[in-house]
Amino acid sequence: DAGVTQSPTHLIKTRGQQVTLRCSPISGHKSVSWYQQVLGQGPQFIFQYYEKEERGRGNFPDRFSARQFPNYSSELNVNALLLGDSALYLCASSLEGVETVSGNTIYFGEGSWLTVV
Amino acid sequence: DAKTTQPNSMESNEEEPVHLPCNHSTISGTDYIHWYRQLPSQGPEYVIHGLTSNVNNRMASLAIAEDRKSSTLILHRATLRDAAVYYCILRVTSGNTGKLIFGQGTTLQVKP
Repeated sequence: DAGVTQSPTHLIKTRGQQVTLRCSPISGHKSVSWYQQVLGQGPQFIFQYYEKEERGRGNFPDRFSARQFPNYSSELNVNALLLGDSALYLCASSLEGVETVSGNTIYFGEGSWLTVV
Repeated sequence: DAKTTQPNSMESNEEEPVHLPCNHSTISGTDYIHWYRQLPSQGPEYVIHGLTSNVNNRMASLAIAEDRKSSTLILHRATLRDAAVYYCILRVTSGNTGKLIFGQGTTLQVKP
């Protein structure tokens, strides 16, 4: 079975532009989360979606938005890119139920490397 | 948010056991302890998780203190492929959100 897949793997954008990153979760997984990892730091939580609804949002500006589609794939959009948005963007999926959230394993994709110049 | 504290780096010799410590004194009763590792230029890889009891799987063992304020990831025989950044994470449930809160992690070097 395929793992979490993300596209594109690498991209370069100019300040002020907009970017869309895509993620396909593991088959059967209904929850998708997005994380940002700046070089030298641990990943930081951005969003979690479950059954197409936003479950949680990290401390990121409104320039960051996301959505989940009926097939549970997801997109992360970042508007008005800043140099500081350069990072590895990770998508993660899990089987998620209300009662078992904390105990579920989360599986990460290989990430999308975004460079803003 | 609940946080974890890990040493910045550790060294091990190949084929020897490795004990990676983690402190999480602010853990709440419903927080699971997760361990992930990350190789350079790759996404984090799940290693193991637990709530109260010690856990074993094919990759590692997780020893959780009785008061749950600390835990130790045990790699029974380190190999060169185990060299990575190891993250000890509390899986926090806030409402219906199960986010992972990563710290800086421990960079493990394995010497041949």
